[in-house]
Amino acid sequence: GNSVTQMQGQVTLSEEEFLFINCTYSTTGYPTLFWYVQYPGEGPQLLLKVTTANNKGSSRGFEATYDKGTTSFHLQKASVQESDSAVYYCVLGEWTGNTGKLIFGLGTTLQVQP
Amino acid sequence: GPKVLQIPSHQIIDMGQMVTLNCDPVSNHLYFYWYKQILGQQMEFLVNFYNGKVMEKSKLFKDQFSVERPDGSYFTLKIQPTALEDSAVYFCASSSLGGAEQFFGPGTRLTVL
Repeated sequence: GNSVTQMQGQVTLSEEEFLFINCTYSTTGYPTLFWYVQYPGEGPQLLLKVTTANNKGSSRGFEATYDKGTTSFHLQKASVQESDSAVYYCVLGEWTGNTGKLIFGLGTTLQVQP
Repeated sequence: GPKVLQIPSHQIIDMGQMVTLNCDPVSNHLYFYWYKQILGQQMEFLVNFYNGKVMEKSKLFKDQFSVERPDGSYFTLKIQPTALEDSAVYFCASSSLGGAEQFFGPGTRLTVL
């Protein structure tokens, strides 16, 4: 079945450092890929989405490129802020007819120190 | 942005009892979902619901689970009877279309003793 792998459980950075979170996926079809972010006490919220191979999604300074060759969808940000501290989920959308579901990675906790 | 509400935020019950988790989805959304997250583990899909029917459910959606949304009110997840392994955070989500962005509530933490 479809799956998503995030190997980094926790990432700790200082403000203005570069962020890179690894994500690889496995699917038999043409995936829609997302990054969701979850702040303490809240549910996950959409950060960015990409539906076409080799396309890049971006939002609030975060970027991710869907690489069909390496089946990767890594998340990057050039300069993190303390307010970026949260859990980041790489997510694969799986659709059946007119409904679907999201397949989540394990999540990467980002802690940004001032 | 659009908000999904979940009531209650925490629920503690004894094993074997019934529990109902309530979700107030975004007002014009038509598709509804429940996900389950055990502490330290992946968030996992339980079920989706559209037009009054379960469209798809996972193997985690046991016979003891049921969902409904009577007359456009809360979208509910009922577990009867509960088991120890049902302890988790349950997230509700809704979307306007089947493949559209899903908006999540803050979750209900269920503890079964």
